[in-house]
Amino acid sequence: EAQVTQNPRYLITVTGKKLTVTCSQNMNHEYMSWYRQDPGLGLRQIYYSMNVEVTDKGDVPEGYKVSRKEKRNFPLILESPSPNQTSLYFCASSSRGGAGYTFGSGTRLTVV
Amino acid sequence: GENVEQHPSTLSVQEGDSAVIKCTYSDSASNYFPWYKQELGKGPQLIIDIRSNVGEKKDQRIAVTLNKTAKHFSLHITETQPEDSAVYFCAASKGSGFQKLVFGTGTRLLVSP
Repeated sequence: EAQVTQNPRYLITVTGKKLTVTCSQNMNHEYMSWYRQDPGLGLRQIYYSMNVEVTDKGDVPEGYKVSRKEKRNFPLILESPSPNQTSLYFCASSSRGGAGYTFGSGTRLTVV
Repeated sequence: GENVEQHPSTLSVQEGDSAVIKCTYSDSASNYFPWYKQELGKGPQLIIDIRSNVGEKKDQRIAVTLNKTAKHFSLHITETQPEDSAVYFCAASKGSGFQKLVFGTGTRLLVSP
């Protein structure tokens, strides 16, 4: 089944403790992206990647890092999480030419 | 950068009625406009999209219209059903890959039986 898999689904952590949210896709898509969803703000793009080793900032990149060492994986790294990063995070992928993003099921992160 | 405004934020209709959600965008270079449906506890799912060389696109009960001059596009759902209840997001993008997608703030649609 074609899908985007995120882990974990739920995560509660403390301020300053480094964490990684993993994302993997099995569709051989070139493009991958991370979004955060907050009430009243919709989905805001954090980072995106156009291919292996090619990444760029979205609209809200502060406090986040990404890497794209393999085509299928695009982890999101929070090196020193803060409470304002409490949010619902989505990973997505799409093929070249933009057939539309396929989204994962989301990771609900709480930073206390 | 691109800014996408979406209205209304909530919309309640009776089953069988039509629903219309409207979005405006700011960047005249945007050329790809998808619509996503998000059900509770799930990720957004693409339901229809339109590119700037087309004025209207239909898929069964769903249609999208685009007015490039006015920089707005709309989602039309006819003969609404309770399973259409969800949050709908519009988005806009430009360039050849459409990877930098900017979303609206969402519309919560409630269809009452």
